[in-house]
Amino acid sequence: ETGVTQSPTHLIKTRGQQVTLRCSSQSGHNTVSWYQQALGQGPQFIFQYYREEENGRGNFPPRFSGLQFPNYSSELNVNALELDDSALYLCASRRYLDSNYGYTFGSGTRLTVV
Amino acid sequence: AQSVTQLDSQVPVFEEAPVELRCNYSSSVSVYLFWYVQYPNQGLQLLLKYLSGSTLVKGINGFEAEFNKSQTSFHLRKPSVHISDTAEYFCAVSSRYGGATNKLIFGTGTLLAVQP
Repeated sequence: ETGVTQSPTHLIKTRGQQVTLRCSSQSGHNTVSWYQQALGQGPQFIFQYYREEENGRGNFPPRFSGLQFPNYSSELNVNALELDDSALYLCASRRYLDSNYGYTFGSGTRLTVV
Repeated sequence: AQSVTQLDSQVPVFEEAPVELRCNYSSSVSVYLFWYVQYPNQGLQLLLKYLSGSTLVKGINGFEAEFNKSQTSFHLRKPSVHISDTAEYFCAVSSRYGGATNKLIFGTGTLLAVQP
């Protein structure tokens, strides 16, 4: 059983640029969530995707957007990068309506905006 | 809405000593409760969770936690820690009624620093 894989592991971008982060869900998991973890903070929920549609969103501006593909892999896109977007971005997958709340997290992508 | 408070940002402890990491939550509805561990440069790993039933929950690596509804707490304990337990620990809650869109609300984390 494969886990959740994220790429790239590290990334440096310039303020104002756009970035795409990728996530491959664990086998059998059809729901994916993205979290932002700023330095010294707990993860903050960005949004969740199921059946290729966003079905839950946290307090993040529209320049944070995502995609989920038929194979359940996912992308997080951030436009017009700001310095405060520097963080660890975590992807988590699970089965839809899993009563055991079996979230599996990836190792994250460390984004640095300069 | 829910919120989580982890009262200690850092807990230093000697190897083989017991440890307790504190977590309090606030919610207007019933919640599920979780503890995750994050080792350096890694993602989150589930230690244990409380969904229903017995309020004493046992997890991996010898950790356990007790749900106390009246005190809205879910403290994590281990009777004897090892150097390898050094990591960041996060308490999290999720509403029981959010359905498929349920999200995890995390605390700010507690760094457990085990010293030889």
